[in-house]
Amino acid sequence: QSVLTQPPSVSGPPGQRLTISCSGSSSNIGSHTLNWYQQLPGTAPKLLIYSNNQRPSGVPDRFSGSKSGTSASLAISGLQSEDEAVYYCASWDDTRNGQWVFGGGTTLTVL
Amino acid sequence: QLSESGPGLVRPSETLSLTCTVSDGSVSSYYWSWIRQPAGKGLEWIGRLYRSGYTKYNPSLDYNPSLKSRVSMSVDVSKNQFFLNLNSVTGADTAMYYCARGRLDGDGYFYHDYWGQGVLVTVSS
Repeated sequence: QSVLTQPPSVSGPPGQRLTISCSGSSSNIGSHTLNWYQQLPGTAPKLLIYSNNQRPSGVPDRFSGSKSGTSASLAISGLQSEDEAVYYCASWDDTRNGQWVFGGGTTLTVL
Repeated sequence: QLSESGPGLVRPSETLSLTCTVSDGSVSSYYWSWIRQPAGKGLEWIGRLYRSGYTKYNPSLDYNPSLKSRVSMSVDVSKNQFFLNLNSVTGADTAMYYCARGRLDGDGYFYHDYWGQGVLVTVSS
C-alpha cells in the first residue's frame, strides 16, 4: 500500500480536461513539495511537474500542478492520445528518518 | 544522461550489484538515487546518496527503511559512477532498476529530475 494515494485510473476523450488527485499526510505533502512523473508505455518515468506547480522545460503548458494542505492535483487540458501513460505523484516523507515516497500510479486512458 | 548496467540474472540469496554511469556532468553536488519497479507495478525508492564537492567528507546516505538492512550505495567520483548493492536477494527483488538524479529546488525541497532507461534484473536459480 502506497504512502500517497492516487486513483488507479482515469479516462476521457480527446480535448477534455481532467485531473488526477494525490492524497497524503502532514509528514509528506503537508511538509514538502509534490512532484509528478509521467511514464509512457515501455519507458522510464519522466519529470512532469516539480515543486508543486513548476514545469521543466519542454513540458507543454497543458500540464499543470497544484497543492493544498495534504493533497495535490495534476491537471491535463486538451487531452491528446499521446498523454496515455501512468502518472505518479511523489514527495519526501519525514517518517522513519525520511524517505522518498510514491503514489501507486494512475493510468490515464484517452477514449 | 544516466546509464545503468549490471547482470540481468542474479541467484537467490546472492548480491545484486548495479552501476550507474553519469555522462554530461559530475556526480558531485547532486543526489543520486536508485528506484525499482516490478513488472506491472509501481515505483519503489531504494535509497539516495549525496556527494559534495569536498572530497574530505563521506557521502551522505539515506535508505528506504524497508530495505535498509540489505542495501548499500557508494560512489566513484573519478569515474562518474555510483553503485547499488542489494544482498540476500529473493524473487521479490526482480524488477526494473532505475538510477535517477536528485536535486533541491530554490526552497531546499528535494526531487528527482533525470532518470536512466533502467536495467531489468531477474532473481532466479
